Amino acid sequence: DSGVTQTPKHLITATGQRVTLRCSPRSGDLSVYWYQQSLDQGLQFLIQYYNGEERAKGNILERFSAQQFPDLHSELNLSSLELGDSALYFCASSVALAGFGDTQYFGPGTRLTVL
Amino acid sequence: DQQVKQNSPSLSVQEGRISILNCDYTNSMFDYFLWYKKYPAEGPTFLISISSIKDKNEDGRFTVFLNKSAKHLSLHIVPSQPGDSAVYFCAASARGAQKLVFGQGTRLTINP
Repeated sequence: DSGVTQTPKHLITATGQRVTLRCSPRSGDLSVYWYQQSLDQGLQFLIQYYNGEERAKGNILERFSAQQFPDLHSELNLSSLELGDSALYFCASSVALAGFGDTQYFGPGTRLTVL
Repeated sequence: DQQVKQNSPSLSVQEGRISILNCDYTNSMFDYFLWYKKYPAEGPTFLISISSIKDKNEDGRFTVFLNKSAKHLSLHIVPSQPGDSAVYFCAASARGAQKLVFGQGTRLTINP
C-alpha cells in the first residue's frame, strides 16, 4: 500500500459527460501528479500541483482540468468526454524536494470507460 | 519523441536466474532514474532509484546500474522469483522538472 488513495476505482460514463476523479496523497506529501495510461501506452504526465498551486503541465487536454485543495487532496475533472478518453488515470504524490531524489508514489488508479 | 525507451516489450527468465531489464534515454538533462513494477489493475509500485551522481544502487535482490556516457540504465533482479512476474517501467526526471517520463514497459515472466 503506497498510502495514496484514489476514488472511484472504476467509472463508466457516456460520451459528452463530465466526471471527477479524486486523489488523496500520502501523509506529508505536498505534491500531486496526474498521469494517464491508455491502452498499449506508457504513462503520460498530465499535470502537477504543489501545495495548492499548479507547478507543471504535460499534454493535458483543454477539456481536462485539475485542482489541489487546502487539505492537499486533488481532483481531476474531465469534461466533454470522448471514446478516446477511456484509460487508466493514476495519481502520484511526493514530497517534491528540490534537487535529487524525489520519488513519486502511485495510487491504485481509476479506470475510466467512456461508452 | 520518446525520451525514455525500453526496447524489449517482453522478457522470459527461469526462476532462480538473473533478470536484466534495460532502458535507454536521450535527454541529457535527466538526473534521477527510477524503476517501477506494475501488476494488472494496480498502480505502479516503486522499486529502486538512482541519481546521476552514482553508477550503481542496490536494494536486496534489485540492483540498478547507470551508464551516463551511454545514456543507459539496467535493472538486475537476482535471483528471480515467480512473484517478480509483472510489467517493469523505467522512468526519469530532470532537475527542476519533477514530472516523470516513462518508458513503454517490459513484461517480465518468471518461469518455474
